[in-house]
Amino acid sequence: DQQVKQNSPSLSVQEGRISILNCDYTNSMFDYFLWYKKYPAEGPTFLISISSIKDKNEDGRFTVFLNKSAKHLSLHIVPSQPGDSAVYFCAARENTGNQFYFGTGTSLTVIP
Amino acid sequence: SAVISQKPSRDICQRGTSLTIQCQVDSQVTMMFWYRQQPGQSLTLIATANQGSEATYESGFVIDKFPISRPNLTFSTLTVSNMSPEDSSIYLCSVWQGARETQYFGPGTRLLVL
Repeated sequence: DQQVKQNSPSLSVQEGRISILNCDYTNSMFDYFLWYKKYPAEGPTFLISISSIKDKNEDGRFTVFLNKSAKHLSLHIVPSQPGDSAVYFCAARENTGNQFYFGTGTSLTVIP
Repeated sequence: SAVISQKPSRDICQRGTSLTIQCQVDSQVTMMFWYRQQPGQSLTLIATANQGSEATYESGFVIDKFPISRPNLTFSTLTVSNMSPEDSSIYLCSVWQGARETQYFGPGTRLLVL
């Protein structure tokens, strides 16, 4: 059973506009969330994280929002750049362990 | 952040053979993990490599099929044994850095089993 879901397998956005990537989870014990970016033939690269005690974390062009009641998080990229084109994974961890559960990824294409 | 290297980066293997994947980290880390990413799927944790003791395997993965070594705090190996085409996947080494509350990944090993 997939505990972390990314229901949009792909997303296309014009350069300069906002990219919004969504992630839903089912386990209420998850208390820490990360977003990764993955280019072809490379391993995932850490982007940004958020703890369940917060509802927003910002780092430059990247902002992650957490809605605990909806069990939903989103990654906003503003402004989007062609170099942002990659597969984005969200991951979540229970407050009792170190195992992360990953979504299936969303492939973002930023069109110049 | 931790710098992680993996060898080989890719391989094509025959059914029934075994392949050992190496993972080297540039700093000592307590927790190392092995993941698999099959085509179109999410990353799935195979096992946690424990230094000085047996690895801890997740449901669906067994030591006979995926033996793991962790001789020190900077190195680990994963062996994919008696391979079948279903083992074709990307295998990723990962480390947890508690001080940064972040998990870092190696570049992955692309395995194709014919």
